Amino acid sequence: GENVEQHPSTLSVQEGDSAVIKCTYSDSASNYFPWYKQELGKRPQLIIDIRSNVGEKKDQRIAVTLNKTAKHFSLHITETQPEDSAVYFCASEVTGANNLFFGTGTRLTVIP
Amino acid sequence: KAGVTQTPRYLIKTRGQQVTLSCSPISGHRSVSWYQQTPGQGLQFLFEYFSETQRNKGNFPGRFSGRQFSNSRSEMNVSTLELGDSALYLCASSLSWSAYEQYFGPGTRLTVT
Repeated sequence: GENVEQHPSTLSVQEGDSAVIKCTYSDSASNYFPWYKQELGKRPQLIIDIRSNVGEKKDQRIAVTLNKTAKHFSLHITETQPEDSAVYFCASEVTGANNLFFGTGTRLTVIP
Repeated sequence: KAGVTQTPRYLIKTRGQQVTLSCSPISGHRSVSWYQQTPGQGLQFLFEYFSETQRNKGNFPGRFSGRQFSNSRSEMNVSTLELGDSALYLCASSLSWSAYEQYFGPGTRLTVT
């Protein structure tokens, strides 16, 4: 079945710096790649997603890139702010599976 | 639109008991998925329902079951609870019949003692 690996597991950055989180997937039939942000004690929140026919997508300070050939996708957060501190999860959907396979999460800490 | 809601939010049960958790999806969403979140295993898929039919099931024992009603509300049931079932149970709903744009509920924190 699909296997999603996520790195790093923890990431600390200074406020204003950029943060990059990387994920790889194993199933070439995966076609949808969302990213979720989960603050302590809160629900996972969908922050950005990308489909397999697109190489990059941006939404203000966040962007996601996808390399289908290499089977990896990344989340980029620019101009980080303390409120960006949370656990971020990448996920993938294999075509027809109707469910998400999640990475193990990255705890991002933005130091003021 | 109201978001995904789950009840109860917290639950404490004893080993051997059974439990039923409820999920109400976003209005108009017909797909409901359930996930188990633990510190050790992360987010793992339990099952997914669309139009009252279970279309997909994760790698969990038969003690975990679910159903979906005609109004798209869903319940999951865990029988013969074990200590290892302690977790945050999250449901997520989506409009279409894929996992595209799944929105999560706040979860039910189940503690088994």
